[in-house]
Parts: sequence; structure tokens; C-alpha cells
Amino acid sequence: DQQVKQNSPSLSVQEGRISILNCDYTNSMFDYFLWYKKYPAEGPTFLISISSIKDKNEDGRFTVFLNKSAKHLSLHIVPSQPGDSAVYFCAASARSSGGSNYKLTFGKGTLLTVNP
Amino acid sequence: KAGVTQTPRYLIKTRGQQVTLSCSPISGHRSVSWYQQTPGQGLQFLFEYFSETQRNKGNFPGRFSGRQFSNSRSEMNVSTLELGDSALYLCASSSGVGTGDRGIQYFGAGTRLSVL
Repeated sequence: DQQVKQNSPSLSVQEGRISILNCDYTNSMFDYFLWYKKYPAEGPTFLISISSIKDKNEDGRFTVFLNKSAKHLSLHIVPSQPGDSAVYFCAASARSSGGSNYKLTFGKGTLLTVNP
Repeated sequence: KAGVTQTPRYLIKTRGQQVTLSCSPISGHRSVSWYQQTPGQGLQFLFEYFSETQRNKGNFPGRFSGRQFSNSRSEMNVSTLELGDSALYLCASSSGVGTGDRGIQYFGAGTRLSVL
């Protein structure tokens, strides 16, 4: 059972336009959401996060929106740049069953290509 | 502060062999998690170690095992390798204590394992 879903394996946008990456989740226990970016031959790097008590978090060109009722979050990149071309992973965090720590669950990723 | 270091970066093995991968976390981090990344499957959680104890475990067969040392360095072992074990294996570290980091993890560059 996939608890975090990124239904678009790939997305292509023009430089300067907006990129919107989507993510859906099923587990109501998730209370923190993160986006990671991964370039080939590198590990994922943390990009931006949002707590379940908020509906928006902004960091420069990157904004994450959370719709709790729809169990949906999205990452907006404005304006998109060729250097943003990478795989983007959505992740959700919930306390482990023992309650002592948080465990991350990742989606399968979306390959973003920004064309010059 | 040095990042997460994984060694080796590349490995080629044959079916039936075993392999050991190494991960040195960020200084001060006590939690180390391991993930398998394959095309189309995203990041699949293997297990997490905290203070030399396995704290969380994913749905992988017993051929996949790990351990953590007193200096927080971790090793992952795969025995009786199968062709399907070919993947990028990623290690991630976090403080692992309290709720301060809410599960944010910092990844190494990974070990690319090819099983022939």
C-alpha cells in the first residue's frame, strides 16, 4: 500500500514558467511533509517542508501548499530554471509506532525537466 | 561540517555473493537510515538504526541486514545477492532525538550496486 503517491513520473516546462509538482497521501497520521530534490549521481537534498498546521510555506522561488482535507500537497517553482531539472521526491513524516521518533515515507518521485 | 559519506561509490558483484556497504553520518547525528532506490520504485525504506539499535524496519527480506557502531557509523549487508538487488543504496542521517528535526534526513551520495 503506497501511502505517498506522486502520480506524474515526469513533467516538462519552459524556462521562466511555473512548475507544479503534486503529491497525494493516504495516512492521516502524517503531520509533516517534505520535498527533496535529487540530481543524478547525488543523494537527495532537502528542499522545503511544511507542518500540517499550515497550508503554505514559501522559500524563495519554492512554495509548498498543503490541503489537508484533500490529503494533497504541491510544490510550486516560480520561475523555473534549467538548473531545477532533477527528480523531486515528496515525503511525509509521522511518529513511529513506538512514538520515539519520526519516520519518513517517500513517493516514487517526479522527473522535472526545465527547457531553456 | 562534513556530510554523510558512503563507501564504496560503485560495486559490481555476482549472484550469490554478499556485499557490505558503509555509511558515516554527519557528526553528532545518532540516527542512520538506509534506502534502496530503483527505477520506478522511488526510495524504499530498509531500516533505521539509532544508538546501535534497529529502531524501524521496512519490508525487505532477511538477506538485508545492518548494524550501527558506537561512533554512529553504520554498515548494511546483503547476503546471497540476486539480480533484483541491483540498485542505488542510500544512507541518510538525522539527529534522531526529540521532535526538533521532524524527520528531516540528510543523504549521502549513495552506493551503486550492480549484480551480474
